[in-house]
Amino acid sequence: EVQVVESGGALVQPGGSLRLSCAASGLTFHNFAMTWVRQAPGKGLEWVSGISSLGMTAHYADSVQGRFTTSRDNSKNMVYLQMSSLRAEDTAVYYCARTLGALPSAPLDFWGQGTLVTVSS
Amino acid sequence: EIVMTQSPATLSVSPGERATLSCRASQSVNTYLAWYQQKPGQAPRLLIYGASVRATGVPARFSGSGFGTEFTLTITSLQSEDFAVYYCQHYDTWPPFPFGQGTKVEIK
Repeated sequence: EVQVVESGGALVQPGGSLRLSCAASGLTFHNFAMTWVRQAPGKGLEWVSGISSLGMTAHYADSVQGRFTTSRDNSKNMVYLQMSSLRAEDTAVYYCARTLGALPSAPLDFWGQGTLVTVSS
Repeated sequence: EIVMTQSPATLSVSPGERATLSCRASQSVNTYLAWYQQKPGQAPRLLIYGASVRATGVPARFSGSGFGTEFTLTITSLQSEDFAVYYCQHYDTWPPFPFGQGTKVEIK
């Protein structure tokens, strides 16, 4: 059974940094791209970033470009979202999801339960 | 960037009735379109991909159609567990892959 578990969410001050982790199991991890999606309180879903199966390419939403970096360690079945220069509008539940293919251009078929990031002073 | 627009924002339906949800893309996404269901406090769940292919375990009362810029999710004979928010998302070729703003299906 495929499982995806996010961790690392916390309360952080504006301008601060935070790293989220995503652990995946029950799959041949290096065959699949992974994606981060966020959801601000009471709002809809926002695609944040996708990384290819071998980590060669990562793409970002304009809203986080230059501030967030996605990486992965296929030896550990882990994906990371390094967030810096955090703003109040980055407050959201961050979901990690398996992408149904080797590239981010595919549907998201397994999701974690999310981790909450709150940016506030 | 392609913009996804869903309508209506809220749909009030009685149990057992049909619900029809719409999603429009600002430019063609071929059939690279997915639908997700999200219930309160839960992660989204993939329902449909390739505009019309049901994901594993999704009941047959859910169906998707469309091509290019106009897409529809139909839920026939709504069950109590189907009342939720539904999102469409395109994944055509090049990121970003935005979601629509969602349609809430509520009990009438």
